[in-house]
Order: sequence, then structure tokens, then C-alpha cells
Amino acid sequence: QQPVQSPQAVILREGEDAVINCSSSKALYSVHWYRQKHGEAPVFLMILLKGGEQKGHDKISASFNEKKQQSSLYLTASQLSYSGTYFCGTHSHQGGANNLFFGTGTRLTVIP
Amino acid sequence: DTGVSQNPRHKITKRGQNVTFRCDPISEHNRLYWYRQTLGQGPEFLTYFQNEAQLEKSRLLSDRFSAERPKGSFSTLEIQRTEQGDSAMYLCASSLVWTPTYEQYFGPGTRLTVT
Repeated sequence: QQPVQSPQAVILREGEDAVINCSSSKALYSVHWYRQKHGEAPVFLMILLKGGEQKGHDKISASFNEKKQQSSLYLTASQLSYSGTYFCGTHSHQGGANNLFFGTGTRLTVIP
Repeated sequence: DTGVSQNPRHKITKRGQNVTFRCDPISEHNRLYWYRQTLGQGPEFLTYFQNEAQLEKSRLLSDRFSAERPKGSFSTLEIQRTEQGDSAMYLCASSLVWTPTYEQYFGPGTRLTVT
């Protein structure tokens, strides 16, 4: 049930854009995005609940294509603070346990 | 303090010893989750509680692992007869079940090293 993330790693210069993809073999009810910096806890970014939904804050946004069981995270005009590992967590049941299955992560490095 | 806290932050133990970790969730959160994370991997679900009831356990949670949440507040995760394969970061998260978005807030984790 673990979702697949791509790419595994990406290096950007400040100001460049990046897209991180998350796909699942199961029908999804929601997709959660987290960022984790080295040695720290994962930090919640956003949840997408409906097919086709797009959300965003600051210059980080995400989309969720329910039919394709995919979500993408968009980082625009990247900043040094965006560096970290991004995880998608997928949830296949409406209500219930809300057990999240996390992907293996995408390591993003932003350089000056 | 409004965040999830975990103690200890680091634990080094010898193979075969028992260890216990503690998690204090955000005070009004009903749900508490335990995850395990190894290097280069995402968090893997272990178990979760709603209030004091343990509602689901992963197949990853062998019989050497036990978790409790007495009185629905803090939780403990105990590993008996530790093995080197238990070395990992153990993360606790909590959520307020009655929100539509179910976002989980993670603690800083306890890093276990079994020698």
C-alpha cells in the first residue's frame, strides 16, 4: 500500500521550481504532504481530500487527481528553507483509522 | 507547550534489553499514533489509539512490542528483548479526530540504537 514518490532526489537553485509526484495503486480518500528536515519530526504541509482538489499556501501548492490516484506537490520560486525530505502519506478509507501509508520520500536540496 | 513531546530523545541499549518510550500528545487530541522510521524511508505505521483504546496494530508490530495509553493521555511503547533490527527512529503523532482534515502532528521522535 506504500505510495511511490518521484523523483527520489532533486537539487535546485534558489528561485527554481520543482514538482514532486506521489502515486498509489489503491483508490485514495486523501493525500497528506509533510516535510522533514534532517533530525527533526515531519511537519504537516497540507491535506487534499477530494479528487481534482488543489490547495496551496505561500509558494507551495498541491493537486490531487483521484481518478489517477496521484498527487503532485509544486514548489515555486524555491527558497533555501524548502530543503528537506518531502513525504506523501496516503489514506484509503473515509473516516475510520486514518492510517497513513508514507512514500519513501523525495529529498529536495536548494542551493544558493 | 502545545506540541507533541517524546522521551527520551535518544536511547542506546544492548541487544536483549527492554526499552520503553513515552509520548505526550497535544492535550486535546483524541488520537495517538506510533510510527517507526528507518534511514531513507518514510514513517511506517505501527499502531494507534483513540482515547485509551488501541484500535489497530500493524503486522510490523511483533509480540515483542506493546503500547499502552492509560487514561487516554500519554502513551508508552515498550520493546522487549530488543534486536539490532529494532534500531530506528520511533515517532509519535496525534490528531484531533473531529476535524475533517485529520492532520497528524508529529513529535521529535526517539532514536533507538541497539548494539
